[in-house]
Amino acid sequence: GESVGLHLPTLSVQEGDNSIINCAYSNSASDYFIWYKQESGKGPQFIIDIRSNMDKRQGQRVTVLLNKTVKHLSLQIAATQPGDSAVYFCAEKPHLGNYGGSQGNLIFGKGTKLSVKP
Amino acid sequence: ETGVTQSPTHLIKTRGQQVTLRCSSQSGHNTVSWYQQALGQGPQFIFQYYREEENGRGNFPPRFSGLQFPNYSSELNVNALELDDSALYLCASSLVMGTSGGETQYFGPGTRLLVL
Repeated sequence: GESVGLHLPTLSVQEGDNSIINCAYSNSASDYFIWYKQESGKGPQFIIDIRSNMDKRQGQRVTVLLNKTVKHLSLQIAATQPGDSAVYFCAEKPHLGNYGGSQGNLIFGKGTKLSVKP
Repeated sequence: ETGVTQSPTHLIKTRGQQVTLRCSSQSGHNTVSWYQQALGQGPQFIFQYYREEENGRGNFPPRFSGLQFPNYSSELNVNALELDDSALYLCASSLVMGTSGGETQYFGPGTRLLVL
């Protein structure tokens, strides 16, 4: 399948190393944030989410950090594996009523392509 | 796998034609959102359907329309296709309860549309 990673920032890491993917979000009123992983030819796959009343949330091998002061989100992947190679998107969800009345929209970042070298 | 299915997987149309894309939501979910993803870009929100009604719309013209059925499945219709409509069309299902928002959206594999 074609790559969705064309013209995207790329992070290249060695297998076993930790990866950190960063994202700047746009709307200070956003109260919910999600990280998605998208492999070539597939739809985005949910990784982890965090609400605005939290600074950190951990999952299996992944940690999301939220800094509301500078509107920054990061995804940390521990012991990165070749299967982690994909494009990673952060998405924000504006608080209801603060974004043109729309209640359902996720706003996606541009994505970062993660390449894991064996 | 999320349990969200989409059909068809690939589609080729010519400019000016109309297309219908279909989405079946994950079991237990009541809401479907549609996104357009151009090559090398993040998904862009088209609209969301909740209780068979449009529940929010992004910056897309009226020739993009949709439906949601009683079983929560959904259709995306695009009229008068343009070359720039070529993209991956994604649907995402979620469970919305009340007005709390913040629901997690789970994506299907997408339909790749090519307009010639």
